[in-house]
Amino acid sequence: AQSVSQHNHHVILSEAASLELGCNYSYGGTVNLFWYVQYPGQHLQLLLKYFSGDPLVKGIKGFEAEFIKSKFSFNLRKPSVQWSDTAEYFCAVAPSGQGGKLIFGQGTELSVKP
Amino acid sequence: NAGVMQNPRHLVRRRGQEARLRCSPMKGHSHVYWYRQLPEEGLKFMVYLQKENIIDESGMPKERFSAEFPKEGPSILRIQQVVRGDSAAYFCASSPSGQNFDTQYFGPGTRLTVL
Repeated sequence: AQSVSQHNHHVILSEAASLELGCNYSYGGTVNLFWYVQYPGQHLQLLLKYFSGDPLVKGIKGFEAEFIKSKFSFNLRKPSVQWSDTAEYFCAVAPSGQGGKLIFGQGTELSVKP
Repeated sequence: NAGVMQNPRHLVRRRGQEARLRCSPMKGHSHVYWYRQLPEEGLKFMVYLQKENIIDESGMPKERFSAEFPKEGPSILRIQQVVRGDSAAYFCASSPSGQNFDTQYFGPGTRLTVL
């Protein structure tokens, strides 16, 4: 079955710490990969996405993610987090030929202490 | 440019009643997706619709749930005879082309509580 796994349910960091959130998926075919973020009280919004080309993708607010096909991974990174990065982060996969539906991981709640 | 609109934002129903959730996609978008988020879980795909067509309903429960996206008006997710297990946040998203590289734009969600 197709699935997406996020390694951490809740991450707590201090400001200026580095962040890496893990995401692995199980699907043998071509995929497009997304990270969405939900800030407190707000809609889900796109952070970044990968669909072709350079496997290192840069998104908004200093976030980046690297697609490693051999590891079925798409980990999210930020070198120095801020208090305003406190949010829930969702990794999602869109398998090819399935009309764009997204398969989401269970989410990682990030709390950044000032 | 208005984003994806969902209403109501909060809906309370008693067991056995019907729930109707509405979603208006972004202007220019004709592809709508519905997702459900149960407590402590990620979003789960339910159904994908284009105008007047259901394209993929592989995530819809077999009974009591239905969805439509008429030629005019919002997309509707309908849950008949609700049970407590239907309590969840229901999110709608829209995209311009339905391609798997498209960004989906999400609405604020409808939080359904079944008493």
